[in-house]
Amino acid sequence: QVQLQLSGPGLVKPSQTLSLTCDISGDSVSSDTAGWNWIRQTPSRGLEWLGRTYFRSEWYHEYAVSVQSRITINADTSKNRFSLQLDSLTPEDTAVYYCARGGQDGSGSWVWFDPWGQGTQVTVSS
Amino acid sequence: DIQMTQSPSSLSASVGDRVTITCRPSQAIYNSLAWYQVKPGKAPRFLLSVATRLESGVPSRFSGSGSGTDYSLTISSLQPDDFATYYCLQYFGNPTFGQGTKVEIK
Repeated sequence: QVQLQLSGPGLVKPSQTLSLTCDISGDSVSSDTAGWNWIRQTPSRGLEWLGRTYFRSEWYHEYAVSVQSRITINADTSKNRFSLQLDSLTPEDTAVYYCARGGQDGSGSWVWFDPWGQGTQVTVSS
Repeated sequence: DIQMTQSPSSLSASVGDRVTITCRPSQAIYNSLAWYQVKPGKAPRFLLSVATRLESGVPSRFSGSGSGTDYSLTISSLQPDDFATYYCLQYFGNPTFGQGTKVEIK
């Protein structure tokens, strides 16, 4: 059974960088059938996919257009985890952040997210 | 990106009611649709995939239907544990979610 455990700060100041980590158990961050995703939820925008990283002989990273200029998602194979770094924070980045596993079907198309980590509230405020 | 229009944004219902939530993508997604239940402080719960396939362990009162650009989630007889916010997700293109439907107790 795959489980994801998210960790990181709950309060970050404007203009600073958010760093979150998602520890994986029951699967490998280097899996050749999974992608590792970050998603956030705000009252105004609902759920928003931020990006993913995955390994297919080499590492790939894909980001949502809305955050692509200030997001980095990396994997740490020694600790079987992946991380989110989001730069230049504003109050609009205040959200519940989730990590989630995404799979691929036999044709290589991405499918749904399952499971998800529990989520962590991040507040951007001075 | 594909836009997902989910309705209603909220609804009030009683235990035992039949509830239907709709998602309409801005283009055809060929049944590449999933549904989630979200409660505060908990990991989102995966309910259905491929528009109609119920995930293991999900009660049979949940069902999905639709095709093309019109999809629905139905709860046939609302139970106390079902009061939550529900989201659709399309995964045909870059993943996008509906705006959510909050199901509240009447």
